[in-house]
Amino acid sequence: EPEVTQTPSHQVTQMGQEVILRCVPISNHLYFYWYRQILGQKVEFLVSFYNNEISEKSEIFDDQFSVERPDGSNFTLKIRSTKLEDSAMYFCASRPTGYTEAFFGQGTRLTVV
Amino acid sequence: TQLLEQSPQFLSIQEGENLTVYCNSSSVFSSLQWYRQEPGEGPVLLVTVVTGGEVKKLKRLTFQFGDARKDSSLHITAAQPGDTGLYLCAGASDDMRFGAGTRLTVKP
Repeated sequence: EPEVTQTPSHQVTQMGQEVILRCVPISNHLYFYWYRQILGQKVEFLVSFYNNEISEKSEIFDDQFSVERPDGSNFTLKIRSTKLEDSAMYFCASRPTGYTEAFFGQGTRLTVV
Repeated sequence: TQLLEQSPQFLSIQEGENLTVYCNSSSVFSSLQWYRQEPGEGPVLLVTVVTGGEVKKLKRLTFQFGDARKDSSLHITAAQPGDTGLYLCAGASDDMRFGAGTRLTVKP
């Protein structure tokens, strides 16, 4: 069964460093998302991406964040200069079309030290 | 931004009890999804409801979509410890935002 895959499963980085989180959405899906979940808290929307551009972003998704779909397969989230408060699980999701259910990856646990 | 409110936030019950959790919004959704999330893992889709008044059953889980398509409920019959987890609802829209979730603990 097709699934969304995320790498790495766990990333530890020093404060101020750049990180890139990678996702391979389900092929033939057209809508892509990143979410964040701080330990024990709710799943927070970061950004949605469609037709090679950001369609929506939340107030969390500031200038330190960017997304890219570099090769038609991967979907990446870059954090330019990580802060301690960026420590969280980051989930990627994809949907075949808008207004349908989304499928999630297993997440990347980012720890900023 | 469409806000979804889930209640209760926490629920701890004994094995064999029944329970209902709720997902409410002031917005109308074309569809609504329920997910279950276990610690350290991604949300896993349980069901999608589309039609107002629709009822879907998944073994001991019954999902209902409100007539006005603004709210939904999840009822679990004879809960088991394996039902323990975080239950999330999400309204289908461009940015698909989640409710805060109901954290269910079923004690043996």
